[in-house]
Amino acid sequence: LAKTTQPISMDSYEGQEVNITCSHNNIATNDYITWYQQFPSQGPRFIIQGYKTKVTNEVASLFIPADRKSSTLSLPRVSLSDTAVYYCLVGDIAGKGGGNKLTFGTGTQLKVEL
Amino acid sequence: EAQVTQNPRYLITVTGKKLTVTCSQNMNHEYMSWYRQDPGLGLRQIYYSMNVEVTDKGDVPEGYKVSRKEKRNFPLILESPSPNQTSLYFCASNRRGGALDSPLHFGNGTRLTVT
Repeated sequence: LAKTTQPISMDSYEGQEVNITCSHNNIATNDYITWYQQFPSQGPRFIIQGYKTKVTNEVASLFIPADRKSSTLSLPRVSLSDTAVYYCLVGDIAGKGGGNKLTFGTGTQLKVEL
Repeated sequence: EAQVTQNPRYLITVTGKKLTVTCSQNMNHEYMSWYRQDPGLGLRQIYYSMNVEVTDKGDVPEGYKVSRKEKRNFPLILESPSPNQTSLYFCASNRRGGALDSPLHFGNGTRLTVT
């Protein structure tokens, strides 16, 4: 499983766009990039997943450059309810190459203020 | 409703008293896993199971046991709990063998305190 590095914390204001970058220099060819959101005392919740280029869903966008050594989660127009910890997870499909052992990093604590 | 259910939500116990935290999923998922979460350390995997009767160690397995006799259940057993096992525990599952093209579904957590 590729090691990931994220900022420990970020601050923003309501209505702003927030971009959280995750570095994964050792990403393998079969690895997917997945982001989770966690509120206090709750289990993490899936936000978005991608392999390359750009992925968008109803809550976020995920930008992945051509070399795939990093990825950026983009949250448009954040609100107070987006205050949470965001985890980047990188690993392969079908359980190959150690992908069965799914380890999360320490995540990024996003704080949104008025 | 598709969900992962953990019980109990809160548990206070004393050192050495065996306990079991239950985890059940209703999505027919093959893969199940236990994590513990501690301040500043993020989520660390304790054990995982690829399918029935198949379990393996995660990053921090010491002091824990698991079993997977049925597909839907994956209990976490602490034979002799110690204070350093005080933590927030999460059970998770996904559709197929830990594959990351299938998102993990998490339970709501069990907060364990060992005195």
